[in-house]
Amino acid sequence: QVQLQQWGAGLLKPSETLSLTCAVSGGSFSGYYWTWIRQVPGKGLEWIGDISHSGPTNTNPSLKSRLVISIDTSKSQVSLNVTSVTAADTAIYYCARARGYNPHLYMDVWGKGTTVSVSS
Amino acid sequence: DIVLTQSPDSLAVSLGERAIINCKSSQTILYGSNNKNCLTWYQQRPGQPPKLLIYWGSTRESGIPDRFTGGGSGTDFTLTIDNLQAEDVALYYCQQCYGLPRTFGQGTRVEIK
Repeated sequence: QVQLQQWGAGLLKPSETLSLTCAVSGGSFSGYYWTWIRQVPGKGLEWIGDISHSGPTNTNPSLKSRLVISIDTSKSQVSLNVTSVTAADTAIYYCARARGYNPHLYMDVWGKGTTVSVSS
Repeated sequence: DIVLTQSPDSLAVSLGERAIINCKSSQTILYGSNNKNCLTWYQQRPGQPPKLLIYWGSTRESGIPDRFTGGGSGTDFTLTIDNLQAEDVALYYCQQCYGLPRTFGQGTRVEIK
């Protein structure tokens, strides 16, 4: 059974860089896209972007200039970096597996989420 | 961006009854290669990540009870929950996978009456 384990710093100051990693275990890594999504507490879901080892990276234009999504196939890990964070980046960040026909993807396995707070 | 608007924002249904959640898209989301709507439904229970229920508009994910049914066409889609159970109390989200950025509806909260 595929499992996604996430980790990263949970408390940041404005202007710092958010860095999260998602490790995949128990299933195929190379055959899928891997997606980052965030959820502001008490609010809805926002797609951040996704990546696979073989295809293009898709990113949300609202974040694109601050966003780096990378992949390490040798470790079955994907990483998310968001630079110059502000309080608006405070959210629960989820890593998820995506399937479908790129870019027509939906998320079938989700990590438990990492809470990131940005405060001075 | 494609905007998804869910209705109602919340609904209370008696145990064993039917709940219907609507999701309206700002444009058609029909994927021509398989002639299916690129519309996904998720369930999010309190304190948990979302869980995939329905993809391609009407295909139930493996392990999802057949009480959950996705339907609709054009720009109007529905998630129907028959024989509502206590464990169905959750937030439900639709998501379109037709265009980038992928977008979600604002969510519908289902409670027990």
